[in-house]
Amino acid sequence: GAVVSQHPSWVICKSGTSVKIECRSLDFQATTMFWYRQFPKQSLMLMATSNEGSKATYEQGVEKDKFLINHASLTLSTLTVTSAHPEDSSFYICSASSVATGARSSGNTIYFGEGSWLTVV
Amino acid sequence: QKEVEQNSGPLSVPEGAIASLNCTYSDRGSQSFFWYRQYSGKSPELIMSIYSNGDKEDGRFTAQLNKASQYVSLLIRDSQPSDSATYLCAVNMDFNKFYFGSGTKLNVKP
Repeated sequence: GAVVSQHPSWVICKSGTSVKIECRSLDFQATTMFWYRQFPKQSLMLMATSNEGSKATYEQGVEKDKFLINHASLTLSTLTVTSAHPEDSSFYICSASSVATGARSSGNTIYFGEGSWLTVV
Repeated sequence: QKEVEQNSGPLSVPEGAIASLNCTYSDRGSQSFFWYRQYSGKSPELIMSIYSNGDKEDGRFTAQLNKASQYVSLLIRDSQPSDSATYLCAVNMDFNKFYFGSGTKLNVKP
């Protein structure tokens, strides 16, 4: 399947600082990328949908000024957690949408990055 | 009503048994359906996709789709302890709109 790479895998930052997480589609062009957050033993929570060249669409309750998303190219989207606080500590996961081709399948498929563990101290 | 619903479990099955995971969805017009597996502390990985009514088999996994009843299921034959994970059902309801269920936790007991 398609490969989505996320970096860094682990990051620890001080409260009040900002941290950037990168998400890259390595072998396909992704016009749409998604950012999720997942707290331990909880479900994936979609934070925002990122379309290349346009502003991200944020889910209800997600602060767009705190979670800055940039999707400047077809292979790269970034999530910046600004003024991070301990409650922002979580597992952040990106995914990218790849259009499937072939006679027996159609439509888009989502592939996930490896995820990034953020700890704010 | 949630767009995609799954029983949270946990579903416990003995090693070697068949595990059956179910998912229902709300949008009758949905065309693409996916099963992902997520191990604790890891991101989800795609197991199977299915687009047409009926069964689709891949190794020990069989996905079943019934669009009339709006459900999709995943069967895991000869379950192994390494299959213990949370299984997420996802439905593509619109262009680039994917909805995930909350996941079913599967425990395969040795």
